[in-house]
Amino acid sequence: EDQVTQSPEALRLQEGESSSLNCSYTVSGLRGLFWYRQDPGKGPEFLFTLYSAGEEKEKERLKATLTKKESFLHITAPKPEDSATYLCAFAAGGGADGLTFGKGTHLIIQP
Amino acid sequence: KAGVTQTPRYLIKTRGQQVTLSCSPISGHRSVSWYQQTPGQGLQFLFEYFSETQRNKGNFPGRFSGRQFSNSRSEMNVSTLELGDSALYLCASSRGTGDWQPQHFGDGTRLSIL
Repeated sequence: EDQVTQSPEALRLQEGESSSLNCSYTVSGLRGLFWYRQDPGKGPEFLFTLYSAGEEKEKERLKATLTKKESFLHITAPKPEDSATYLCAFAAGGGADGLTFGKGTHLIIQP
Repeated sequence: KAGVTQTPRYLIKTRGQQVTLSCSPISGHRSVSWYQQTPGQGLQFLFEYFSETQRNKGNFPGRFSGRQFSNSRSEMNVSTLELGDSALYLCASSRGTGDWQPQHFGDGTRLSIL
């Protein structure tokens, strides 16, 4: 069964303290791995798409990487405005059942 | 460029009623997908429409239905509402179907069932 697990569920960091969020997935025929950010009361905001193992994407303090079993979202020198829930999701070939989302990592950056 | 617009933002209904939610995609986007978000289950795929045709459907009962119009706007309908239908309903649009372009989400409709 296709599934995705995110860890940790919650993470509290000091401003400037770098860390990584994990997204482990099991899927037959990965078509794409997506990272989103969701703020309270808002819809998910698209961050990155990764299509194949070894691919990396960067945007400001965020860097996403992909292996055959996991994706990581690295956050370098985070600021309080980076506080949000980070969601990963995959699109699988064959069934085409929309995006399958993880439960998310709730990130808090303390000043 | 305007984003995905969902109306209404908040809705309160009672059990047994029905409800219709609306979604206007980003201009030029032809695919619209709907998701249900709850604290326990997270985001779950409901269905996808492309060129007025339902292309994919998630594992939800037939009480959940939708449609898409020629201008790509979409509506979702839930009949015979149950308490468990209380959730945030999110609409997402993308340029096409099957090409795995990123889906862009609206801010959702918060549905509360009393």
